[in-house]
Amino acid sequence: DAKTTQPTSMDCAEGRAANLPCNHSTISGNEYVYWYRQIHSQGPQYIIHGLKNNETNEMASLIITEDRKSSTLILPHATLRDTAVYYCIVRIWGGATNKLIFGTGTLLAVQP
Amino acid sequence: SAVISQKPSRDICQRGTSLTIQCQVDSQVTMMFWYRQQPGQSLTLIATANQGSEATYESGFVIDKFPISRPNLTFSTLTVSNMSPEDSSIYLCSVDEEGGGEQYFGPGTRLTVT
Repeated sequence: DAKTTQPTSMDCAEGRAANLPCNHSTISGNEYVYWYRQIHSQGPQYIIHGLKNNETNEMASLIITEDRKSSTLILPHATLRDTAVYYCIVRIWGGATNKLIFGTGTLLAVQP
Repeated sequence: SAVISQKPSRDICQRGTSLTIQCQVDSQVTMMFWYRQQPGQSLTLIATANQGSEATYESGFVIDKFPISRPNLTFSTLTVSNMSPEDSSIYLCSVDEEGGGEQYFGPGTRLTVT
């Protein structure tokens, strides 16, 4: 049972920031927000994860609202290679159950 | 990050036969996972495999159909038994990075059952 809601698809112009929203209104206090992406016919690629603070790495930034009920993944300068399905997942990490439950994701199409 | 390989990368099998998929990791990991991705669909978790214990299967998946072995901390196999065309999918293994929180995926095995 996916616990997140994402738009089915989004477009973004090459070179512009891509902002991908995710709703997780039923998130529990010990659940992390994870983002993965899957480029066609490849295994999912880890992007970033966070608990309540905003996070940034070499790939993206993750902005989590103060009430933790939603988040946004930001790709600062989208390229054509960023075209993929992006999955937002909530997950309890470190306990007996570490599994990821994938929803349907957002298909991001970066346009030239 | 962990480097994961899978064998075979793809196969075409006849219905009623079985296929064993191998997953090899370049480091020791406690938890390994097997997923299925049917055509045009998202990923569905089949089971969690910990070394030294029986695999834990998700609802809708049974050991007789998808037996799993986990003989050591770097290797696991998933067998798809008595295959039918509905088993045509990509099968992926993944591992948790020890202490890091990330989960990494293998490249997948594309199975076609005719």
